[in-house]
Amino acid sequence: NAGVTQTPKFQVLKTGQSMTLQCAQDMNHEYMSWYRQDPGMGLRLIHYSVGAGITDQGEVPNGYNVSRSTTEDFPLRLLSAAPSQTSVYFCASSYSGGGVEAFFGQGTRLTVV
Amino acid sequence: AQRVTQPEKLLSVFKGAPVELKCNYSYSGSPELFWYVQYSRQRLQLLLRHISRESIKGFTADLNKGETSFHLKKPFAQEEDSAMYYCALSPQGGSEKLVFGKGTKLTVNP
Repeated sequence: NAGVTQTPKFQVLKTGQSMTLQCAQDMNHEYMSWYRQDPGMGLRLIHYSVGAGITDQGEVPNGYNVSRSTTEDFPLRLLSAAPSQTSVYFCASSYSGGGVEAFFGQGTRLTVV
Repeated sequence: AQRVTQPEKLLSVFKGAPVELKCNYSYSGSPELFWYVQYSRQRLQLLLRHISRESIKGFTADLNKGETSFHLKKPFAQEEDSAMYYCALSPQGGSEKLVFGKGTKLTVNP
């Protein structure tokens, strides 16, 4: 199993550009989530999904869109990149149920100039 | 509101010394609590969870509902324990909406 795979690993964008961060998992997990990690801030939830066709906002959703058309994929779209979106982005997936382990991707380091 | 507080941003100990990473939480219900670890150049991974009451790599953590704490302890630190440690709370039981603390960077010196 590849686990949770994120692409790309690194990206530099200009302010105003749009892009999609890809996330795929091959563990048949129902739940998938996107977090951003900023220095001194820990991980903060952007959006999450509890199944195909179902998404919801997390703590910091502004400027980001998501969709979940399949169980395996959960792309994160930046509509118009801003310097404040410079961060490391992590995708995670897990089974449903209490106390279960979340599996994380290796992260995407995004710089917006 | 749910909140996880890790009061120490940095923690430095010598090899063989005991280590305790503090975690306090704020949540009105019965939370699920976890410790995740991120070693250098590796992805974030689960270290342990309170529901399992297990010991992983010599680490233990006990949920104290009275003090709303979930401190991580190890009696004898090893150099390979150097990493970033995150305490996390699952407000609804599932792990789709984890609330993380800001993390503690542990350095174990030789």
